[in-house]
Amino acid sequence: SQQGEEDPQALSIQEGENATMNCSYKTSINNLQWYRQNSGRGLVHLILIRSNEREKHSGRLRVTLDTSKKSSSLLITASRAADTASYFCATANFPTGANSKLTFGKGITLSVRP
Amino acid sequence: DTEVTQTPKHLVMGMTNKKSLKCEQHMGHRAMYWYKQKAKKPPELMFVYSYEKLSINESVPSRFSPECPNSSLLNLHLHALQPEDSALYLCASSQWQGETQYFGPGTRLLVL
Repeated sequence: SQQGEEDPQALSIQEGENATMNCSYKTSINNLQWYRQNSGRGLVHLILIRSNEREKHSGRLRVTLDTSKKSSSLLITASRAADTASYFCATANFPTGANSKLTFGKGITLSVRP
Repeated sequence: DTEVTQTPKHLVMGMTNKKSLKCEQHMGHRAMYWYKQKAKKPPELMFVYSYEKLSINESVPSRFSPECPNSSLLNLHLHALQPEDSALYLCASSQWQGETQYFGPGTRLLVL
């Protein structure tokens, strides 16, 4: 079953604009991760935010986490055509240990028009 | 080296064939994973190995048989697959379970 649900399901923007993607989840988490996948290829890890963190930055990426609302957002600033891809949020269940695993959301398709 | 390699890249097999998918990492990661991904869907977890022992089996049919010969290698043995098993099979590894996962490029499997 899916833990994370992304919103919107598809997003089309112009190059240079910012893209904001949201993810909601249902149960307690240890951390939340965002991944990118270009068509038919492996996933690439973008950023991990732990349950005791509220905001994290990496280059043009900004991730926030609100554990009270069980939601996260991924902001990509100054988007480029190369950012066109599918984006997934994934939650690592709490507690960590032998049963720890990532559960992926349905994904968001981002198209950046040149 | 932050690479996870998978072979083969593409595989076509009949329903009576036996084949194996291979995955390798040299990052010293102790957790390794197999995922199945259908088009326009998220990856679905199949198996997790931690310290070379099967940690999670997500009720996968027995026609899929995982094997972890050592800390760097992960195999997925396939036997008597069905056409609905056609998908992209992804391998991943992480330092330990629940942490950042590094994915291989996947094996695109077609079952005829």
